[in-house]
Amino acid sequence: QKEVEQNSGPLSVPEGAIASLNCTYSDRGSQSFFWYRQYSGKSPELIMSIYSNGDKEDGRFTAQLNKASQYVSLLIRDSQPSDSATYLCAVRDSNYQLIWGAGTKLIIKP
Amino acid sequence: GAGVSQSPRYKVAKRGQDVALRCDPISGHVSLFWYQQALGQGPEFLTYFQNEAQLDKSGLPSDRFFAERPEGSVSTLKIQRTQQEDSAVYLCATHSGTDPEKLFFGSGTQLSVL
Repeated sequence: QKEVEQNSGPLSVPEGAIASLNCTYSDRGSQSFFWYRQYSGKSPELIMSIYSNGDKEDGRFTAQLNKASQYVSLLIRDSQPSDSATYLCAVRDSNYQLIWGAGTKLIIKP
Repeated sequence: GAGVSQSPRYKVAKRGQDVALRCDPISGHVSLFWYQQALGQGPEFLTYFQNEAQLDKSGLPSDRFFAERPEGSVSTLKIQRTQQEDSAVYLCATHSGTDPEKLFFGSGTQLSVL
């Protein structure tokens, strides 16, 4: 069964520090990778997508992809209390299905 | 509308009761997905429509679950003879044809089966 794994957390990070969120996936044929943010009681919201090996930066967010290691990460620089949420990793597998991780709960402490 | 609209926001059902959950997509979004999200878990795919055609229903957990989108716009997810394990948030998501990788989610319907 194809899987996307994330540490459930909670991950606690001081305000202003870098938060690092990790995700591994099992289907080596996966081509598209996404990070969604979900505030408590709200629906997921796409914040980053990445398709090729390396880094992709968007403001305070950087997504990193390593297909050889089947690993994707999200870095949040200058963390703010408003970044406190659950971060969901989603992977489009070789059958074009979108497989979701269970999410990592991030807490930014003022 | 401006966003994906789902109703009701909350639904409490007695075990064995039938429920119907509604999704009103963003105007012009032909692709529509239903997901089930249990507490502390990521969304699990249920079914997918392109316009009125249900192209994939492989994620529906049992024949008690049925979805339709008869005119290619509003979709309804129906659950017959609800069970306690059906308790979850049911999310509807759509995307535009121009950016199929960006899903827009509704606020979800939180279903509690007692």
